[in-house]
Amino acid sequence: DIQMTQSPSSLSASVRDRVTITCRASQSISRSLNWYQQKPGRAPKLLIYAASSLQSGVPSRFSGSGSGTDFTLTISSLQPEDFATYYCQQSYSSALTFGGGTKVEI
Amino acid sequence: QLHLQESGPGLVKPSETLSLTCTVSGGSISSSSYYWVWIRQPPGKGLEWIGSVYYIGTANYNVSLKSRITISVDTPKNQFSLKLNSVTAADTAMYYCASQYQLGLNSWGQGTLVTVSS
Repeated sequence: DIQMTQSPSSLSASVRDRVTITCRASQSISRSLNWYQQKPGRAPKLLIYAASSLQSGVPSRFSGSGSGTDFTLTISSLQPEDFATYYCQQSYSSALTFGGGTKVEI
Repeated sequence: QLHLQESGPGLVKPSETLSLTCTVSGGSISSSSYYWVWIRQPPGKGLEWIGSVYYIGTANYNVSLKSRITISVDTPKNQFSLKLNSVTAADTAMYYCASQYQLGLNSWGQGTLVTVSS
């Protein structure tokens, strides 16, 4: 299976901060990388697919980049509703795998 | 936009079989555009892919669970199902069904908590 490693596992930030989360794949996955946001007690929500494509309805302060093995999720100006846990996930292989998550806290 | 809803028992005894169903509305489970996916999340932990099924019934399973899982599609009912046998406390988790469109898991059910306990 392809292993996905996220860093950091948690971070503290303030409103209007620029936040960057990284995700590394154990082998090249081209651009088959997705990002999700999960709030407590809720199902995950797709933010970014294919490494950099913004899912419909997701604010433009979210952006993704990368290809091959290294990927980044950036929140350009953190808003109060963005405090949540973020997961990366690869769909290059039919055996889907997720990163361990990054909790964004105040 | 698809709507997905999980259903099934919230409590399963050890060594028994966990059975969940996901009902899809707002679209057809027979669409060639989607894979239908089960994911779980133990309390306080991360997300784990369980398996995926295509509308014609072909399925892929997590190798760590493969010997215990069956995922199937019921096209007349617009549902897909998960069976996980020989459960233990380690299978206690929130179970989600989701649709995979192109690359991303774009629609999710609200999740159902399954506890394994006697």
